Amino acid sequence: EAQVTQNPRYLITVTGKKLTVTCSQNMNHEYMSWYRQDPGLGLRQIYYSMNVEVTDKGDVPEGYKVSRKEKRNFPLILESPSPNQTSLYFCASSFKGSGQPQHFGDGTRLSIL
Amino acid sequence: DAKTTQPTSMDCAEGRAANLPCNHSTISGNEYVYWYRQIHSQGPQYIIHGLKNNETNEMASLIITEDRKSSTLILPHATLRDTAVYYCIVRGGVGGQNFVFGPGTRLSVLP
Repeated sequence: EAQVTQNPRYLITVTGKKLTVTCSQNMNHEYMSWYRQDPGLGLRQIYYSMNVEVTDKGDVPEGYKVSRKEKRNFPLILESPSPNQTSLYFCASSFKGSGQPQHFGDGTRLSIL
Repeated sequence: DAKTTQPTSMDCAEGRAANLPCNHSTISGNEYVYWYRQIHSQGPQYIIHGLKNNETNEMASLIITEDRKSSTLILPHATLRDTAVYYCIVRGGVGGQNFVFGPGTRLSVLP
């Protein structure tokens, strides 16, 4: 089944403790992206990747890192999480080019205490 | 990318067609119209997209006006499970491929 898989689905942690949220897709998509969703602010893009070893900042990249060493994986790294990064996170992927819909994972709910 | 305007909320009776409008008066020639929905806090689910022709798939139909300044998503026989927030997004070609999700339309399907 074609899907975007995020792990973990839920995480409660403390300020400053490094964490990684994994994202994997099995559709051979070139493009992958991370979003965060907060009440009243909608979904905002954090980082995106057009292909392996190619990443770029989205609208709200501060406090996050990403890497794209393999086509299928696009982990989101919070090296020193803070409470303002408490949010619902979504990974998405698609083929490159116009007219290509993005497919989203089920989300990761992070709580930073 | 062009901005979109959608009603904040709509109700629909179960079994009836749900027609969700979207205005995108500043759309440009190479921009597609996409529709997604989000049920509770699940991941946004892709529904349908189109450029200028009307489109239909197993989930819905998309009607785009001839001038492309507005569109309508049609759920032909709404069920209670179609209750969700529906997002209309207009986006062009390559680049950051950022999908800008506005507040959307909260559709409530009533028994």
